[in-house]
Amino acid sequence: SYELTQPPSVSVSPGQTARITCSGDALPKKFAYWYQQKSGQAPVMVIYEDNKRPSGIPERFSASTSGTMATLTISGAQVEDEGDYYCYSTDDSGVGVFARGTKVTVL
Amino acid sequence: EVQLEESGGGLVQPGGSLRLSCAASGFTFGNYAMSWVRQAPGKGLEWLSGITSSSSNTYYADSVKGRFIMSRDNSKNTLHLQMDSLRAEDTAIYYCALGGYLAYWGQGTLVTVSS
Repeated sequence: SYELTQPPSVSVSPGQTARITCSGDALPKKFAYWYQQKSGQAPVMVIYEDNKRPSGIPERFSASTSGTMATLTISGAQVEDEGDYYCYSTDDSGVGVFARGTKVTVL
Repeated sequence: EVQLEESGGGLVQPGGSLRLSCAASGFTFGNYAMSWVRQAPGKGLEWLSGITSSSSNTYYADSVKGRFIMSRDNSKNTLHLQMDSLRAEDTAIYYCALGGYLAYWGQGTLVTVSS
């Protein structure tokens, strides 16, 4: 079955840049999506279709793709950006798949 | 404002069944595909199933294929997940989400499978 791979954790100081990678063989032909989940809350989409930011998501969130790698960047990370971040995509048969998630710590 | 509200969770014995519902509002429900995602305690997100806007196609993760059935009633703006042959490992918070790309999520409903 199709798999996406993320690092388990990323730490960053406030105001610095955090980068979270997501690798998957189908990413060159399938969109990547990114979700933020804060403790005890439902996930929120922060990036769709590789690099588009939904309304209401701060500009410090951006993303890009290159080959089999998608990257979420938090520029000038804030304490409120702490949480778990998940990369999501689909396989050729329409089945969705999440990576295991990355815990972002801002301290 | 998009709103999704799940219901129907609870405690069920192994081998039992539950039917989850998701009430949608704030958008034209019948125009959008929908999805179910779950999260076991302390674990990551797991995509479970998806359904097209007209119910013409449904998709399932291998972990629930043959046990779960996703359906929708566009006249009532409601999504369903029929869960049969439940196992302890199905214990999780179950979320419904808008679209195949999970643009908006409900707050989830907790399903506990235990004797």
